[in-house]
Amino acid sequence: AQSVSQHNHHVILSEAASLELGCNYSYGGTVNLFWYVQYPGQHLQLLLKYFSGDPLVKGIKGFEAEFIKSKFSFNLRKPSVQWSDTAEYFCAVTTSGGYNKLIFGAGTRLAVHP
Amino acid sequence: GAVVSQHPSRVICKSGTSVKIECRSLDFQATTMFWYRQFPKQSLMLMATSNEGSKATYEQGVEKDKFLINHASLTLSTLTVTSAHPEDSSFYICSARDNQGVGGYTFGSGTRLTVV
Repeated sequence: AQSVSQHNHHVILSEAASLELGCNYSYGGTVNLFWYVQYPGQHLQLLLKYFSGDPLVKGIKGFEAEFIKSKFSFNLRKPSVQWSDTAEYFCAVTTSGGYNKLIFGAGTRLAVHP
Repeated sequence: GAVVSQHPSRVICKSGTSVKIECRSLDFQATTMFWYRQFPKQSLMLMATSNEGSKATYEQGVEKDKFLINHASLTLSTLTVTSAHPEDSSFYICSARDNQGVGGYTFGSGTRLTVV
């Protein structure tokens, strides 16, 4: 079964710092990859997704992620974070067949200090 | 965009009672919905996949008789926590495959269940 690993459980940054959150998945077949954000007290929102094509995906709010198939990775990046980026970030993967259930990583809690 | 409405947002119930949580797709038809459970400061754990008109598919370790799922229409799936106990207290979230591109998912706002 597929699984998702997020290496950073808790990240603390100052505003304007660059961000990179790691995500690795384990599945040998074709996958679809997602990054979701959960702001305090709110529901999950989609940041970006990758299905095929250009492995560098740009999402909302200045976030981007790069799919590196050889490394089974889909790291999330943002060149300059803001205080409003404080949230929990989840990487998720689904396979291209079956019921397409979405499997989540453990999440990374990001705190951005002014 | 696609919207999933989940109700109630918060419920407190007595131990031994049952609680029903509703998940509705408001502007699209969802043949497949997913139910997740999220413990504090942890990730979303998939509980089951709900398919309209058929039995739900439960993940390993999830008690089918305790977490009853019904997906009677293309816009509504319900999760009933039967004979709730304090250890069932958690945040329950539903998700539906939406029509925003291939493989898109939309999430409900979640239900915080507290069993006392």
